Amino acid sequence: DVKVTQSSRYLVKRTGEKVFLECVQDMDHENMFWYRQDPGLGLRLIYFSYDVKMKEKGDIPEGYSVSREKKERFSLILESASTNQTSMYLCASSPGPDYEQYFGPGTRLTVT
Amino acid sequence: GNSVTQMEGPVTLSEEAFLTINCTYTATGYPSLFWYVQYPGEGLQLLLKATKADDKGSNKGFEATYRKETTSFHLEKGSVQVSDSAVYFCALSINTGTASKLTFGTGTRLQVTL
Repeated sequence: DVKVTQSSRYLVKRTGEKVFLECVQDMDHENMFWYRQDPGLGLRLIYFSYDVKMKEKGDIPEGYSVSREKKERFSLILESASTNQTSMYLCASSPGPDYEQYFGPGTRLTVT
Repeated sequence: GNSVTQMEGPVTLSEEAFLTINCTYTATGYPSLFWYVQYPGEGLQLLLKATKADDKGSNKGFEATYRKETTSFHLEKGSVQVSDSAVYFCALSINTGTASKLTFGTGTRLQVTL
């Protein structure tokens, strides 16, 4: 079974803090994704990566950056957290184009 | 741009009722279409998919048919169970060459009661 794990289920941070969200997959997948999920808006793509050290912006990259130093790990970074980044963050991985994406359980981030 | 529109929820049904959740899409190119399900406290799981026009995806009693002429991918189940209570997301996928990017609808919450 594909397993996508995220470092925390719940996280509370203060405005202005630097926040790291970690995602690890155990199936040697090429592609990894970060989404945020908000009520009434569905899931929106923040960034994705198609190979180690390779990344592309998604639909809402502003205020976020990512890092992929190893194939199995994809990190989302909030350089200076703001209250409008309070959300559920979901990581996903996929073997490549035209394959399904496998999702982690999500991290609920609250920025106060 | 690409977009997915699905019916507003919540949808409340009695057990064994018939379910339809409407989904329509706008896309450039030839997308694949998906239904994902999110059970309480969990991430999303793929429920079913269809990769070309007139394909029917099916799984766990759920079905959806890729209708290019109406740009729709409606989810149906003949007899729902309490365990089907979840949020259902319709999505389309476009292959960019390096990855397939998913565009999601806003989700429809289904509540099934005894």
